[in-house]
This record gives sequence, structure tokens and C-alpha cells, in this order.
Amino acid sequence: QKEVEQDPGPLSVPEGAIVSLNCTYSNSAFQYFMWYRQYSRKGPELLMYTYSSGNKEDGRFTAQVDKSSKYISLFIRDSQPSDSATYLCAMSQPSGAGSYQLTFGKGTKLSVIP
Amino acid sequence: KAGVTQTPRYLIKTRGQQVTLSCSPISGHRSVSWYQQTPGQGLQFLFEYFSETQRNKGNFPGRFSGRQFSNSRSEMNVSTLELGDSALYLCASSLARGRAINEQFFGPGTRLTVL
Repeated sequence: QKEVEQDPGPLSVPEGAIVSLNCTYSNSAFQYFMWYRQYSRKGPELLMYTYSSGNKEDGRFTAQVDKSSKYISLFIRDSQPSDSATYLCAMSQPSGAGSYQLTFGKGTKLSVIP
Repeated sequence: KAGVTQTPRYLIKTRGQQVTLSCSPISGHRSVSWYQQTPGQGLQFLFEYFSETQRNKGNFPGRFSGRQFSNSRSEMNVSTLELGDSALYLCASSLARGRAINEQFFGPGTRLTVL
């Protein structure tokens, strides 16, 4: 079992829909939970991060973490065609020497259809 | 502020050759991490360099190596290329202040194709 599991999709939704992206994990050492967005031919960019269980909202985006179930989600409200990208969950854990290592999900490819 | 730059952007090599990829981090960033991205395995951590020292290493064979220079620029090298090394190689830089949420800023990647 991989440490981080993410449904690769692809996911296609109409403009204005609510999108739900999910990841599960098995490593209890993960401390921070992040969502990255990657447009075609670009590197990933950090969208949101959270530490504790619960919800964190930023505009149309809400990140949710349930540590007891080892499950994280990203919700996108009022989805726009510009949200079309691959979304990767990522989790960090201490790796010694004052450093933290990221483990990524495989990414979910989202298409928002006008 | 200029972002992370990677050169070259595209590269075609044949099996058995070696390749060197370059990464220039954001000015002031001292940590550089390298990742391999493939459709099958996703984004996998290769190694991290901080102040010219390798601080972390992922689960890749010794054919994959890297280094960091005093100006924080980094190179990674892959020797004896295999077909399975075809991937997008991403470099990310961060301030690396020892916090769990050091935001990593990614470059556009180098697309390596091994024939």
C-alpha cells in the first residue's frame, strides 16, 4: 500500500459545479497536509496547507483534514474553466537534520467544461 | 523576483548515456529538492540539498546523483540511462527554515525522453 493514495481521475465537471478531490494516507507521522495545483507544462504551485483536523477556507477553496480517518479533501466551489489542472495532495513529515520531506499523491486531473 | 529556472526544458537521450540537469533556485532560497514525475508513479522525491550538502534522499538507485553549488544552484545527474528514466524532472526551492511548511516553489521541469 502506498503511503498516499489519490484517485487519478480524470474528473470532468460543468462550470459552476462543486468539485471534491480526495486523498487517503497511511503514515501517522505526516504533520502538514497540502494541495498543489499543476497546469499543463508547468510545475506544481501550492494552493493551500493545513495542520490540524477540520476545515480551512480560502476563497472558493476549502481544505478538509480528518486525521482519525487519515483522509483529506479539497473542495472547489463555483468551479471555473481556469480551475482545469491536475491537483496533487502532499503531506510532510520530519526527515531529520531539521528538514521535512514531502510525499505526493499521484494527482487528479480536473477539467471544468464551460 | 525571478522564479525557479531549469535547463534544458527538453532533452532526448539514448539508453546507456548520461545526462545532467540544472536548476537555479529563487534568489535567497538555500534548499533545492529534486523530484521525478511520471504518469505511473506520480511525483517522487529524489533528494534535497541544503548549503551544498545532501540532506535527504529518496528511494532511487545510485545512478541518480546531485550536487549543490555555493550559490545554491543545483545539478542532478543520471548515469547509464534506462528507458524507465523518461520523466519530467522537477526542481523546487525553498527558504528551508526548518518548518514543516516551507513552501516549495517548483520550476517548469525538464522533460527527459530516453530512446
